[in-house]
Amino acid sequence: NAGVTQTPKFQVLKTGQSMTLQCAQDMNHEYMSWYRQDPGMGLRLIHYSVGAGITDQGEVPNGYNVSRSTTEDFPLRLLSAAPSQTSVYFCASSSGQGKSPLHFGNGTRLTVT
Amino acid sequence: GQQVMQIPQYQHVQEGEDFTTYCNSSTTLSNIQWYKQRPGGHPVFLIQLVKSGEVKKQKRLTFQFGEAKKNSSLHITATQTTDVGTYFCAESSGTYKYIFGTGTRLKVLA
Repeated sequence: NAGVTQTPKFQVLKTGQSMTLQCAQDMNHEYMSWYRQDPGMGLRLIHYSVGAGITDQGEVPNGYNVSRSTTEDFPLRLLSAAPSQTSVYFCASSSGQGKSPLHFGNGTRLTVT
Repeated sequence: GQQVMQIPQYQHVQEGEDFTTYCNSSTTLSNIQWYKQRPGGHPVFLIQLVKSGEVKKQKRLTFQFGEAKKNSSLHITATQTTDVGTYFCAESSGTYKYIFGTGTRLKVLA
């Protein structure tokens, strides 16, 4: 099983550029989420989805959009990148409501100059 | 809203010494999960605690959930260099929003 797959692994953007971080899982998990990790800040929830067609905001949603057209995929879009969005981004999925382990992807390291 | 405070932020220990990290909440938690992230890696699930006063062990790791379900701890006995990494607690309060603590970065000096 591939588990949770994130692409790309590294990305450098210029301020104002847009891009999409890809996340796919092959475990048939209903729940998927995006986190950003910054030094000293831990993992902060950006957006999450409890199933296809359903998304909701996490702790730090501003500047990011998501959609969930299929169970497998949960892309994260940066419409106009800002230096404050320089971070490591993790996608995670789980099978159940709040009491199932999260399975994380390997992360995307994004630098915005 | 959901919030968990985790202490300490950093801990350096000599190999063989014990290590403990604490997770505290101002509200009652329905469950608490613990994750480990190796340097350069992604968080990996270790364990989940659900019951008041619950204690679980995994080899040298002991996990506790407080009687009031407002705090939790992870204790490592006789640390090894393989224990290096950042340890996170996470809670969801039974919802779909998994909120993580700020993590404790453990460095083990050989």
